Amino acid sequence: SYELTQPLSVSVALGQTARITCGGNNIGSKNVHWYQQKPGQAPVLVIYRDSNRPSGIPERFSGSNSGNTATLTISRAQAGDEADYYCQVWDSSTNVVFGGGTKLTVL
Amino acid sequence: QVQLVQSGAEVKKPGASVKVSCKASGYTFTSYGISWVRQAPGQGLEWMGWISAYNGNTNYAQKLQGRVTMTTDTSTSTAYMELRSLRSDDTAVYYCAREAAAAPADYGMDVWGQGTTVTVSS
Repeated sequence: SYELTQPLSVSVALGQTARITCGGNNIGSKNVHWYQQKPGQAPVLVIYRDSNRPSGIPERFSGSNSGNTATLTISRAQAGDEADYYCQVWDSSTNVVFGGGTKLTVL
Repeated sequence: QVQLVQSGAEVKKPGASVKVSCKASGYTFTSYGISWVRQAPGQGLEWMGWISAYNGNTNYAQKLQGRVTMTTDTSTSTAYMELRSLRSDDTAVYYCAREAAAAPADYGMDVWGQGTTVTVSS
């Protein structure tokens, strides 16, 4: 079965750049989506198909995907960016799979 | 506005079934699909399955095959998820989310319901 590996936590200083990785075998050949989830709320799609931003998502959010690692980058991090972030792909052996999630802390 | 509104919280005994509804509004229901995702307390997201509101095709997570059924009622723009033979580890918040009509995880889940808490306890 296909697995996605994310770091449990990432910390970033206010105003700096946060990078959250999502590792998977040849993930660069798949479409990766990213979600933000704040406590007590439903997830929100922040990046789809590797690097596309849905309407209403700030340009500070960007994504890339190559080889065995996809990356969500949050520039000029704000306190309101504190949340859990999940990557997601579709794989023929597993169907839809989510990464385990990364807790972003803004210091 | 585009939204998905789910039914209310449920408390069930082990072995029972639960059926959660997800009513869509603000868009053409049959042009999209619906995925169901659950989240156990303090845990991550788990995909349960997907249904196309266009043609009724389904795709279920292997782990839940045989226990889950997803349906749609296009006359009321409502999707349903039924989970049978409930166990304590089915206790979770259950979400519906809008997806592409042709296949799950094609363009990501861009609209989510508010979540339905299902508690399984004797």
